[in-house]
Amino acid sequence: GQQLNQSPQSMFIQEGEDVSMNCTSSSIFNTWLWYKQDPGEGPVLLIALYKAGELTSNGRLTAQFGITRKDSFLNISASIPSDVGIYFCAGISNSGYALNFGKGTSLLVTP
Amino acid sequence: DAGVIQSPRHEVTEMGQEVTLRCKPISGHDYLFWYRQTMMRGLELLIYFNNNVPIDDSGMPEDRFSAKMPNASFSTLKIQPSEPRDSAVYFCASSFGQGYGYTFGSGTRLTVV
Repeated sequence: GQQLNQSPQSMFIQEGEDVSMNCTSSSIFNTWLWYKQDPGEGPVLLIALYKAGELTSNGRLTAQFGITRKDSFLNISASIPSDVGIYFCAGISNSGYALNFGKGTSLLVTP
Repeated sequence: DAGVIQSPRHEVTEMGQEVTLRCKPISGHDYLFWYRQTMMRGLELLIYFNNNVPIDDSGMPEDRFSAKMPNASFSTLKIQPSEPRDSAVYFCASSFGQGYGYTFGSGTRLTVV
C-alpha cells in the first residue's frame, strides 16, 4: 500500500491546549480520513474528507484535505482528558481501493 | 446496529496450532477488510472482499494465512500453522461502498507462544 507519514509520533499536552497533527503522502489521495483508537478497541472514524481543499469540523475537531491532495491535518481545540488515544490518518490513493493508514499520533492529555 | 462483531476477543495458542478468527460485518455493507496491527508495522491491510469475493489478498503474509467469506454476514481468517511472529491484533472492518469510512470491530488479540 501507499506510505503515509504521520507526525508527530506522540504529544503530551495539558488540558485546554490545542493540538495539531498532520499526514503526508508521496502519492495523490482521493479520500482522507481521521480515526481515533482507544486502548483495546478498534479505530473509530472521526472525520472524512473527499475533496481537495475541503475543511470539515466535528465538534472540537477540524480537519482539512490539502490542496495538493498529498496531505491532511487534524486540529483538536481545547483538549480534554478523554481526547487521550491514538489518532490515525488514513487515505485512499487514486490507484488503490482500500485504506492505507499512518503509524498514528499518540496523544496524552494531563488534567 | 450491533456494529462489526469479531470473535474471539483474545486467543492464546501454541506455535503450530491452527487459529481461526471470525467476523460478522454490518448488515448491508458490501466491503469487508481484514487488518493486522502491530507496534512495529502499524495497521496493515491483509485482504478485502467485495460482495463476498476476494479482491486483493496481496497483503496476506504467506500461504499460512487464508481468508474466506462464504456469505454476506460472515468471514474467517485462518492461520495454519501459527507462529510467534503472527502475534498481533487482527481487525475486521466493513463499509458500504468503496472509498468511504470503514467501521472496525473491536479486534482479536492473538498471542502465539
